[in-house]
Amino acid sequence: AQTVTQSQPEMSVQEAETVTLSCTYDTSESDYYLFWYKQPPSRQMILVIRQEAYKQQNATENRFSVNFQKAAKSFSLKISDSQLGDAAMYFCAYRRNLFNTGNQFYFGTGTSLTVIP
Amino acid sequence: ETGVTQSPTHLIKTRGQQVTLRCSSQSGHNTVSWYQQALGQGPQFIFQYYREEENGRGNFPPRFSGLQFPNYSSELNVNALELDDSALYLCASKVQGSKAFFGQGTRLTVV
Repeated sequence: AQTVTQSQPEMSVQEAETVTLSCTYDTSESDYYLFWYKQPPSRQMILVIRQEAYKQQNATENRFSVNFQKAAKSFSLKISDSQLGDAAMYFCAYRRNLFNTGNQFYFGTGTSLTVIP
Repeated sequence: ETGVTQSPTHLIKTRGQQVTLRCSSQSGHNTVSWYQQALGQGPQFIFQYYREEENGRGNFPPRFSGLQFPNYSSELNVNALELDDSALYLCASKVQGSKAFFGQGTRLTVV
């Protein structure tokens, strides 16, 4: 079974600084996707960034980037130039890359990020 | 705005009752999945429907059931409610090959 572990229940960062959120996962599969989702108080899950396991290059989306270490099964999220609007719960998630399993996500327990003005 | 709408937003039920939660997806979203998110936890996969058939299920008992309709809406039904069923319930829908879109969730409280 796939498991996703986030060992940092809470993190804080000064506005404009950089913060890294950690995530490890366990799987016996070789083809999968990894995601970081943001969940603000509005409760809606917002996709931050996605990484395909077969791609060596780390994904980046503006101020957000990942460090994907497939052999170590590690997938951390770096937020640069942190903004007040980045404050939220962040979830790391895993999804197999099989036909018709496109919505079957396995989530970690989340990291609550506070941005200090 | 994700185009995925859940109703109701909040709901209070009594232990032993039955509840139906609804999810309205974008046209063409033939895959929908449901998640239970207990307070302070990550979402847990309940089940997934693809073209109106259940094609994946997490570790939830049979009293959790669902339906997906041709108009891209879906339902989550929970029978014999227990106190531990109190949680935020999320649905997510997608078209094959695209990203998933989540609804804003239904907060269920069982008393």
